[in-house]
Amino acid sequence: EPEVTQTPSHQVTQMGQEVILRCVPISNHLYFYWYRQILGQKVEFLVSFYNNEISEKSEIFDDQFSVERPDGSNFTLKIRSTKLEDSAMYFCASSVSGLSTQYFGPGTRLTVL
Amino acid sequence: GQQVMQIPQYQHVQEGEDFTTYCNSSTTLSNIQWYKQRPGGHPVFLIQLVKSGEVKKQKRLTFQFGEAKKNSSLHITATQTTDVGTYFCAGLIGNQFYFGTGTSLTVIP
Repeated sequence: EPEVTQTPSHQVTQMGQEVILRCVPISNHLYFYWYRQILGQKVEFLVSFYNNEISEKSEIFDDQFSVERPDGSNFTLKIRSTKLEDSAMYFCASSVSGLSTQYFGPGTRLTVL
Repeated sequence: GQQVMQIPQYQHVQEGEDFTTYCNSSTTLSNIQWYKQRPGGHPVFLIQLVKSGEVKKQKRLTFQFGEAKKNSSLHITATQTTDVGTYFCAGLIGNQFYFGTGTSLTVIP
């Protein structure tokens, strides 16, 4: 069964550094998402992406964040200057259409020191 | 801001007992999805409800969408240890899914 994959599984970085989290969505899916989950808390929507542009973003997704689909398979989330409060699990998800089942990847645990 | 609330936050049940989690929104939802997240895992889609008053069943799981499309529930009959995890609802408002706060289920053998 096709899966969403994410790399790395765990990223440790110093405050102020840039990080790029990578995702490979399911190949025939057209909608891509990033979510984050602070330890023990709920899943929070960051951004959705369709047709090579952001279709929706939350208040969390400020100027420090950006997304890109640099080629036909990868979908990346960049955090330009990490803060301590960015420490969380970041999940990528993809779906066939905007209102259908979202398939989540295994997540990248980001630790900002 | 938009919020989707879930109760209870935690639930401990004896194996074989029933379990229900409730999801409430102050805003009408276009649809609602339910996910299960095992400890240390990622959210896994369970089901999507779209119509007012809709009820769907998956084996021991029963999902319901309220008539006003502002609330939903997930009921598990005769829980098993494999049901352990956190159950999240996610309501669609506009073009964004808002996840509920989750209900963490512990099943005591």
